[in-house]
Amino acid sequence: KAGVTQTPRYLIKTRGQQVTLSCSPISGHRSVSWYQQTPGQGLQFLFEYFSETQRNKGNFPGRFSGRQFSNSRSEMNVSTLELGDSALYLCASSQSTGGMYGYTFGSGTRLTVV
Amino acid sequence: GENVEQHPSTLSVQEGDSAVIKCTYSDSASNYFPWYKQELGKGPQLIIDIRSNVGEKKDQRIAVTLNKTAKHFSLHITETQPEDSAVYFCAASGGSYIPTFGRGTSLIVHP
Repeated sequence: KAGVTQTPRYLIKTRGQQVTLSCSPISGHRSVSWYQQTPGQGLQFLFEYFSETQRNKGNFPGRFSGRQFSNSRSEMNVSTLELGDSALYLCASSQSTGGMYGYTFGSGTRLTVV
Repeated sequence: GENVEQHPSTLSVQEGDSAVIKCTYSDSASNYFPWYKQELGKGPQLIIDIRSNVGEKKDQRIAVTLNKTAKHFSLHITETQPEDSAVYFCAASGGSYIPTFGRGTSLIVHP
């Protein structure tokens, strides 16, 4: 079956702009989690959605937001971009919340803020 | 909250040797421990996992052991091959309900 699809793969944005990233989970998976990956901080949890509801949120500022649609596809938005937002953003699909059955990750969106 | 420590940060071995990566966790309520492998340009891939009611699990050349009393778990790779070169992450789930990941181990297998 198809894996987790993230679009776009690469993005270059200017400070102050906003960006929207998209994720299509594995068919039948209702949980979508988002992670930020940087060399210095590793994998940092952003938020998790299940059945269109945000179930958990990590310790990120309000500039980071997300949503999930009725078909389980998810988007995350970052407003007023800062240089420090440059990172690989990973979407993780799962059968249940909390990653208790493991995640299937997408290949990520590489965001560069200049 | 949960804290996961992973060691070593870099591991270099010769092809055919064994490799061991260790993780410790702090929350005794954690009960699910997955391991992920991340190759260059890809997202992490789940390679093996273990739950707290099991002490050891094997899948071909990889195995994971769990010591609940000491709160540590380890990944063992035998007969390493160049294609095993990647970054490996451990994680712990169940306590805080959000998986906590280790900082990763870069495994380099020299042919």
